[in-house]
Amino acid sequence: DAKTTQPNSMESNEEEPVHLPCNHSTISGTDYIHWYRQLPSQGPEYVIHGLTSNVNNRMASLAIAEDRKSSTLILHRATLRDAAVYYCIPQGAQKLVFGQGTRLTINP
Amino acid sequence: GAVVSQHPSWVICKSGTSVKIECRSLDFQATTMFWYRQFPKQSLMLMATSNEGSKATYEQGVEKDKFLINHASLTLSTLTVTSAHPEDSSFYICSAVSGFDSYNEQFFGPGTRLTVL
Repeated sequence: DAKTTQPNSMESNEEEPVHLPCNHSTISGTDYIHWYRQLPSQGPEYVIHGLTSNVNNRMASLAIAEDRKSSTLILHRATLRDAAVYYCIPQGAQKLVFGQGTRLTINP
Repeated sequence: GAVVSQHPSWVICKSGTSVKIECRSLDFQATTMFWYRQFPKQSLMLMATSNEGSKATYEQGVEKDKFLINHASLTLSTLTVTSAHPEDSSFYICSAVSGFDSYNEQFFGPGTRLTVL
């Protein structure tokens, strides 16, 4: 499993963009990069995933470095409901190996 | 979106008893289900992978005789914590996936909080 490095915590203000970085320098060529988030006392939920190209969906955007050794999850306009722990997971098989993630705090 | 439920949402039991937790995929057939455990202020730890009709695959360090997993159908997996002790108190979360590709999204249940007295 590829190792990941994420900031332990980040803070942002409501309605501002948030960029959550993740380093995964040992990622293999076939690993997808998944992002999940976990709100307090809940199970995780899927945010987005990508392989090589940048990806957008209704929740967020994922920017993947050209060498694939890092990626950035972008929340375009953070809301209070986006306060959660965000996990970046390079994955080559179906099972997910969660790291410590980044705890995102959103200030009103 | 796909929904995964867990029952019960919380349970308190006495030391030495067994507790069964159910995980159901409500609107899709799950080819694979996963069981995780999460201690306070820690990340999720994968316990086992479960495929319908076959034996679960346990992660290293997880006692298969203590954590019994049954995956009887494409919509139901159960985790039984046998002879529970206080150190088994944790947040147990299941997830389900449809399909066998590594990019398939996993759908997580809301979790079951187990407290062993």
